[in-house]
Amino acid sequence: AQKVTQAQTEISVVEKEDVTLDCVYETRDTTYYLFWYKQPPSGELVFLIRRNSFDEQNEISGRYSWNFQKSTSSFNFTITASQVVDSAVYFCALSAHNYGQNFVFGPGTRLSVLP
Amino acid sequence: DTGVSQNPRHKITKRGQNVTFRCDPISEHNRLYWYRQTLGQGPEFLTYFQNEAQLEKSRLLSDRFSAERPKGSFSTLEIQRTEQGDSAMYLCASSFRLGTDQETQYFGPGTRLLVL
Repeated sequence: AQKVTQAQTEISVVEKEDVTLDCVYETRDTTYYLFWYKQPPSGELVFLIRRNSFDEQNEISGRYSWNFQKSTSSFNFTITASQVVDSAVYFCALSAHNYGQNFVFGPGTRLSVLP
Repeated sequence: DTGVSQNPRHKITKRGQNVTFRCDPISEHNRLYWYRQTLGQGPEFLTYFQNEAQLEKSRLLSDRFSAERPKGSFSTLEIQRTEQGDSAMYLCASSFRLGTDQETQYFGPGTRLLVL
C-alpha cells in the first residue's frame, strides 16, 4: 500500500521564524518519487520539488530546503526566515513506479505565517 | 507560457443535474489527470489519459462519472445525476511522459462544484 502522512495539521509561526513541515511515506516499491506542492488560498497547486528514491542528497532552493532520509521514510521541508506569502497548505505526494501513474497525496499541512 | 486551465472555475447545480468540466493542459503534455479534492484533504486520483487513451480509473470514479480526451488535447469530465456528495474541487493536471521516468504533474486552478 502507498501512504503519505503529514502529522502536522496546522502550524502557525511569526514572520522570520524557521519552520519544518514533516512528511512520512510508506511504499513497498524500491523506485518511487516524492513531491512537495504548495496550495495558496487561490487554490492552484504549485509544484515545489521532485525527488527520486535513488537520490538522497538534500536540496536547497533559496529559503526552501528538503531533507530526504530513506532510513526513516521521511521527506521533510524547511522554510527559513518565513514570510507572510508562505502562508498556504503544503502537500507531500508519493508516486511509486509500480503503483500506476497517479500520485498519493498526504492530507496537507496548513501553514500560517503571522506578521 | 500558459499553464493548465480549467473551466468553469465555479459551478453551482441542483441535485440530479448533469455537469461538465473542461481542462486544457499545457500544450506539449501528453498526459492528463483528473483529481478530486474535498475540504481539508489532499487531492484524490480519479483517472488519467495518455494522449486520447484513458489508461487508468480509480474506484472513486463511479459510473455517473465519465471523462474523455477525444483528440488528445483538452479533456472533459462529466458528472451525471449529481449528488450532494459530489461537492468538491475538481483538479486537472498535465505532464509530459518520456520513457519510464516519473514526470512532474502541473495542476490547473480547479473547478469548485457545489451541489445543492
